[in-house]
Amino acid sequence: GENVEQHPSTLSVQEGDSAVIKCTYSDSASNYFPWYKQELGKRPQLIIDIRSNVGEKKDQRIAVTLNKTAKHFSLHITETQPEDSAVYFCAASKNTGRRALTFGSGTRLQVQP
Amino acid sequence: NAGVTQTPKFQVLKTGQSMTLQCAQDMNHEYMSWYRQDPGMGLRLIHYSVGAGITDQGEVPNGYNVSRSTTEDFPLRLLSAAPSQTSVYFCASSSALGGLNTEAFFGQGTRLTVV
Repeated sequence: GENVEQHPSTLSVQEGDSAVIKCTYSDSASNYFPWYKQELGKRPQLIIDIRSNVGEKKDQRIAVTLNKTAKHFSLHITETQPEDSAVYFCAASKNTGRRALTFGSGTRLQVQP
Repeated sequence: NAGVTQTPKFQVLKTGQSMTLQCAQDMNHEYMSWYRQDPGMGLRLIHYSVGAGITDQGEVPNGYNVSRSTTEDFPLRLLSAAPSQTSVYFCASSSALGGLNTEAFFGQGTRLTVV
């Protein structure tokens, strides 16, 4: 089955700096890669996603890049703000068979004011 | 439109007790899943369903049963609770547009403690 690895496990940045979180996946059939943000005590919520036919996607301060050949994808947050502090999860799934998401282990991002 | 609703929010069980975690969605989604979240381990898939009457095992199915008699409901049953099942449980639902996976929506979670 699919295996998703995520790095780093913790990340501390100064407000205004950029943050990058990286994930690798093992199943070359995976073609949907969402990123979820989870605040303390809350449910995970989608912040951005990318499909395998696209190399990059941006939404204001957030961007995701995908390298299908190397089987890795990354989340980029620019001009970080204290409210970006949360745990971020990457995930992967495919459009056949088991469609459920396989998650990475999470990155705790701390933005220092 | 309530989205995905899980009950209860908190539960304490004694070892050996059984219980059912409820999950309901009102978005007419075909796909529903149960995950458990443990510190440092992300969300791990317990069971999933691709439609009413169809369920299958995920990564960590032992000790859990599911059924999907309707599109809306996907209950998770703990057969004989063990301390190792202490965790936060999330139910999620999603659909496919043109065969392509779309956003998974999560319930608010159930914090389960087994003593």
